[in-house]
Amino acid sequence: EVQLVESGGGFLQPGGSLRLSCAASEFTFSTYAMSWVRQAPGKGLEWVSAIFGNGGTSYYADSVKGRFTISRDNSRNTLYLQMTSLRAEDTAVYFCARHYGSGNYYNYFDSWGQGTLVTVSS
Amino acid sequence: EIVMTQSPATLSVSPGERATLSCRASQSLNGYLAWHQEKPGQAPRLLMYATSTRATDTPARFSGSGSGTEFTLTINSLQSEDSAIYYCQQYNSWPLTFGGGTKVEIK
Repeated sequence: EVQLVESGGGFLQPGGSLRLSCAASEFTFSTYAMSWVRQAPGKGLEWVSAIFGNGGTSYYADSVKGRFTISRDNSRNTLYLQMTSLRAEDTAVYFCARHYGSGNYYNYFDSWGQGTLVTVSS
Repeated sequence: EIVMTQSPATLSVSPGERATLSCRASQSLNGYLAWHQEKPGQAPRLLMYATSTRATDTPARFSGSGSGTEFTLTINSLQSEDSAIYYCQQYNSWPLTFGGGTKVEIK
């Protein structure tokens, strides 16, 4: 069974930085695109960023472009999200999610982690 | 960006009845639409992809239909465990986008 375990969430002040991690197991990590999806308290799902299986292509939502950086270490089966210049509106549970495909096609999420909470507040 | 609009926001249905959830896209999706189910305290779960293909372990009472910009998720013979929020997600183009969700309540 696919396992995705997020970590790194926490409480921090506006303007701060944080790096989230997602440890993947029970599948060949490098052959799948991965995304971060977030959910603000009481709100719906918002896609944040994606990275192709080979790490060569990434996409970002306009709301985080220039502030967040997605990366992956296929040797460690781990997905990352480096978040900088954090704002109160970035407060959310951050899920990592596996795409069905490697990135060019079939970019729906077929497995999800449990999420990690990031709270940005002064 | 493709904007996804779901309706209604909340749906209250009696056990055994049918629930019909709608999802509209601001442009054609070429069938590249998925549905996800989210229950309180749980990770979201893929229900349906390519408009009408059930994911592994999705019960047969769930069905998807639609084309172009209009899509529907139907839950036949609603059961108590179907109480959840349902999100449609387009994967026709970047950025990937979700609808705002429909909350299904059991009467």
